[in-house]
Amino acid sequence: GAGVSQTPSNKVTEKGKYVELRCDPISGHTALYWYRQSLGQGPEFLIYFQGTGAADDSGLPNDRFFAVRPEGSVSTLKIQRTERGDSAVYLCASSTRANTDTQYFGPGTRLTVL
Amino acid sequence: AQSVAQPEDQVKVAEGNPLTVKCTYSVSGNPYLFWYVQYPNRGLQFLLKYITGDNLVKGSYGFEAEFNKSQTSFHLKKPSALVSDSALYFCAVRDQGNNDMRFGAGTRLTVKP
Repeated sequence: GAGVSQTPSNKVTEKGKYVELRCDPISGHTALYWYRQSLGQGPEFLIYFQGTGAADDSGLPNDRFFAVRPEGSVSTLKIQRTERGDSAVYLCASSTRANTDTQYFGPGTRLTVL
Repeated sequence: AQSVAQPEDQVKVAEGNPLTVKCTYSVSGNPYLFWYVQYPNRGLQFLLKYITGDNLVKGSYGFEAEFNKSQTSFHLKKPSALVSDSALYFCAVRDQGNNDMRFGAGTRLTVKP
């Protein structure tokens, strides 16, 4: 079946601009996660959705970052007033409800802030 | 707080030889442990996980890992490496009851022909 998809695959923007990154999880997966992976590092947790609600947003670095999942499926990560330090690969993962279940990752969106 | 350490940035082995990629963890409760592999320009692919039960876990592509509670380790192993196993490997841990998963910094495995 179809895996997790993310669009765009690459995004180049200028400092100060607003960007949106989209994640389409595996059908039927109620849990959705966003991570950020900087060069040479492992993924870093940002936010977790269970259904439509953000169950844990403790990983969001500051209030420029926001994510939504209005219908419990597709999610959008929104970054306002982008900074060069936001440049990274943004990964989305989904899983079934239980927290013991495996998270399946999308290919990521590479964000470059000039 | 939960954390993972992968003490080796790089591991190099010859094709056909056994390989080990090391991982140690720290959690306050019961650990859920995972291994993922990342190929260039691709997302993370799940290899195997330990939740409970048998300490030896078998996963995809002939990989296995052993959970060792006393040493707080979860090393990834394969009896006979392939050149196609060359990739970046990540260990991850989730504390029971937590939503977020903590990843190690990754270990680059190179298998030489």
